[in-house]
Amino acid sequence: DVKVTQSSRYLVKRTGEKVFLECVQDMDHENMFWYRQDPGLGLRLIYFSYDVKMKEKGDIPEGYSVSREKKERFSLILESASTNQTSMYLCASSSGRDTGELFFGEGSRLTVL
Amino acid sequence: QKEVEQNSGPLSVPEGAIASLNCTYSDRGSQSFFWYRQYSGKSPELIMFIYSNGDKEDGRFTAQLNKASQYVSLLIRDSQPSDSATYLCAAPPRGRSTQGGSEKLVFGKGTKLTVNP
Repeated sequence: DVKVTQSSRYLVKRTGEKVFLECVQDMDHENMFWYRQDPGLGLRLIYFSYDVKMKEKGDIPEGYSVSREKKERFSLILESASTNQTSMYLCASSSGRDTGELFFGEGSRLTVL
Repeated sequence: QKEVEQNSGPLSVPEGAIASLNCTYSDRGSQSFFWYRQYSGKSPELIMFIYSNGDKEDGRFTAQLNKASQYVSLLIRDSQPSDSATYLCAAPPRGRSTQGGSEKLVFGKGTKLTVNP
């Protein structure tokens, strides 16, 4: 069965802290994504990776960076967390064969105080 | 205008009725559209996709694409309380920057559907 695992379901951090969100997929997928989901704003793409060490900015990359050192793992980094980064973060992966099917993890709810 | 817009909602229908969910898009070159369902507290999952003008049926679900009018619809027949969820319309972004980039989907804000017993 397809599995995308996000390391933390709930995190509470303080303003200015560095935050790491980890995501692992077991489907040998080429593509991995980080979205954030906010009420009234929907799902917005932060970063996309189409191969190891390759990445593209999404619609809202400011304040975030990513790392993909291994095919199965995609990390989202908040260098200095701010309160406006309080959100639900969703990792997803896809095969890269243009199926349009993204497999999402369960999400990480981050609260920045 | 956002690439994919869902302006209707929330939507409430009685059990057994037809629920109609709509989505408009701005890029006339868009070729493929996807409907994701997201239960409360859960992650989105793909339920339908459509590439061609017309209707595509899968069980109680029908996706409709009208390229001339630039809208996509999802009809749910014989709605059940278990269909209560937020439905997200999605499409690939304008252009295609990288291999697999067509899966870098742009999502609408979603329409929350409640089916009342």
